[in-house]
Amino acid sequence: DTAVSQTPKYLVTQMGNDKSIKCEQNLGHDTMYWYKQDSKKFLKIMFSYNNKELIINETVPNRFSPKSPDKAHLNLHINSLELGDSAVYFCASSQDVRGGDEQFFGPGTRLTVL
Amino acid sequence: AQKITQTQPGMFVQEKEAVTLDCTYDTSDQSYGLFWYKQPSSGEMIFLIYQGSYDEQNATEGRYSLNFQKARKSANLVISASQLGDSAMYFCAMRVKYGKLTFGQGTILTVHP
Repeated sequence: DTAVSQTPKYLVTQMGNDKSIKCEQNLGHDTMYWYKQDSKKFLKIMFSYNNKELIINETVPNRFSPKSPDKAHLNLHINSLELGDSAVYFCASSQDVRGGDEQFFGPGTRLTVL
Repeated sequence: AQKITQTQPGMFVQEKEAVTLDCTYDTSDQSYGLFWYKQPSSGEMIFLIYQGSYDEQNATEGRYSLNFQKARKSANLVISASQLGDSAMYFCAMRVKYGKLTFGQGTILTVHP
């Protein structure tokens, strides 16, 4: 059973389009995250939700809008895609925001904007 | 602000030897956690080991150990008996408030047969 799953795995689209990436975790965790890994492999937090509430928004352009319909899902919608949005997007989850439990990462979604 | 620094862009090691990957961190928080993740060429992020700021013992997980030196703010990863499958990118990360991880730049480890 996949702990954290993301769809799609690959996404190729044109500049200006709107796209969504879905994330689901079956671990019963309270907290979910979105990270972006750029072409230089640098990983940076974008958003974090705890029990469906936004707790971290790291100065991400408002073209990016996360949505958490329930604790097990955290989707990422991106409007008006730009070339610079090309990256690998990772969803992750952890039991909660405290403590030393690991964050489980999804397989990543490679977004290419043409 | 939190910062993680990995000063080794690339490291090479012979199979069966030990290797140390360096990580230094900076935070004003007293409570924090330090993590190491492995990212093979296939792209997934694999959790390796965790060290809490109040843990007195260095963390160990199989062939992985974390050399935690709090006064020096370092959290180096030691991989013993390297295997070819250890070739990957390794990320050091720190967690303070709200669970978010701050990552270092990563170190590419290549294991030679």
